[in-house]
Amino acid sequence: DTGVSQNPRHKITKRGQNVTFRCDPISEHNRLYWYRQTLGQGPEFLTYFQNEAQLEKSRLLSDRFSAERPKGSFSTLEIQRTEQGDSAMYLCASRRGVDNEQFFGPGTRLTVL
Amino acid sequence: TQLLEQSPQFLSIQEGENLTVYCNSSSVFSSLQWYRQEPGEGPVLLVTVVTGGEVKKLKRLTFQFGDARKDSSLHITAAQPGDTGLYLCAGELRDFGNEKLTFGTGTRLTIIP
Repeated sequence: DTGVSQNPRHKITKRGQNVTFRCDPISEHNRLYWYRQTLGQGPEFLTYFQNEAQLEKSRLLSDRFSAERPKGSFSTLEIQRTEQGDSAMYLCASRRGVDNEQFFGPGTRLTVL
Repeated sequence: TQLLEQSPQFLSIQEGENLTVYCNSSSVFSSLQWYRQEPGEGPVLLVTVVTGGEVKKLKRLTFQFGDARKDSSLHITAAQPGDTGLYLCAGELRDFGNEKLTFGTGTRLTIIP
């Protein structure tokens, strides 16, 4: 499968714990995006990378959130001291260039108890 | 902040009927995409429209981009149960390095056999 992959698919954690999600983009896609989708809503942009550089961060990305793409390939999204309001589907997307479509992964569903 | 509003939010119709979903904004977008999302999966791109007034057809689906590039519609002819899903419009701006997708609120479509 050469699509975008995300791990884990599901994560249940207790409030206050830290969690980390991983996204593996399609090979040779230099742009990688993170979105968050809550129940009944469309996805909301969190941040994006061009290669290893993080170029834009949404106001939604509080200081408890950090994203990295150390070698310009896979990316991780970490949430520290999780809160119940962090419960959502976290989606990753990648694309080859600015004029190409974004391909989405299956998402990681986070539930904070 | 760009806001895309979709209507209706929910739509349930009988198989064989026609339907139209609307996506409206006060902002002008460089391009607009329509996605379909199945439960527990990421959005899958259906079409991208770029030019004001553009009409694209994908089998029984017809997509239109408004002349002013602020709104779009999706028309489905002779709906089938396989069309059931969450339909999302998303607009993209290409200025000052802005590459994020701004998603609409979504239309949850149910086709009753």
